[in-house]
Amino acid sequence: DIQMTQSPASLSASLGETVTIECLASEDIYSNLAWYQQKPGKSPQLLIYDASSLQDGVPSRFSGSESGTQYSLEINSLQSEDAATYFCQQHHDYPNTFGAGTKLELK
Amino acid sequence: EVQLVESGGGLVQPGRSLKLSCVASGFTFSNYGMNWIRQAPGKGLEWVAYISSGSSYIYYAETVKGRFTISRDNAKNTLYLQMTSLRSEDTALYYCARQDRTEIVMPTPFDYWGQGVMVTVSS
Repeated sequence: DIQMTQSPASLSASLGETVTIECLASEDIYSNLAWYQQKPGKSPQLLIYDASSLQDGVPSRFSGSESGTQYSLEINSLQSEDAATYFCQQHHDYPNTFGAGTKLELK
Repeated sequence: EVQLVESGGGLVQPGRSLKLSCVASGFTFSNYGMNWIRQAPGKGLEWVAYISSGSSYIYYAETVKGRFTISRDNAKNTLYLQMTSLRSEDTALYYCARQDRTEIVMPTPFDYWGQGVMVTVSS
């Protein structure tokens, strides 16, 4: 199975700041990576797919990038509503696997 | 509007069975592969099973293979998960989720998720 190592497990940032969350794949997943946002008591919502494509309706302050097997989610100009847990998912091969999640708190 | 509504969860004893349902609306259900994904309390996401649009292709996570069966009824716009020989580690919120692309068997992102249904396995 492809392992997704996500970091950090948690972070705290202020409104207006920029944060980066990373996922390292255990093997080449050929840009087949998605990012999700999950707020407490809610279902996950797709933010980014194919490593860097923005899902319809997602604010442009969210962006995705890659370097080899390292994938990053960047959130610019943090807003209060960005407080959530973020997960990466590789969609290259079965079984689909997710990162352990990053809990983002706003100071 | 795309909607996925799960039902059938509850408290069940170890070793017993339970069947979950997910009713879809707002899109052509028969065109999309569907998945079950679960989340144990306070934990991350674990993909459970996939079924292709016409039920020809089915994949399971190793943790449920041989115990869970995914199926669908396209005439009823409904996805199912039959769970047998349940264990305490199966306790989780179970989501149904849609592939984000039609007619594709390879893994894809999940663009729509249900609200989830809780399954608790305990004596």
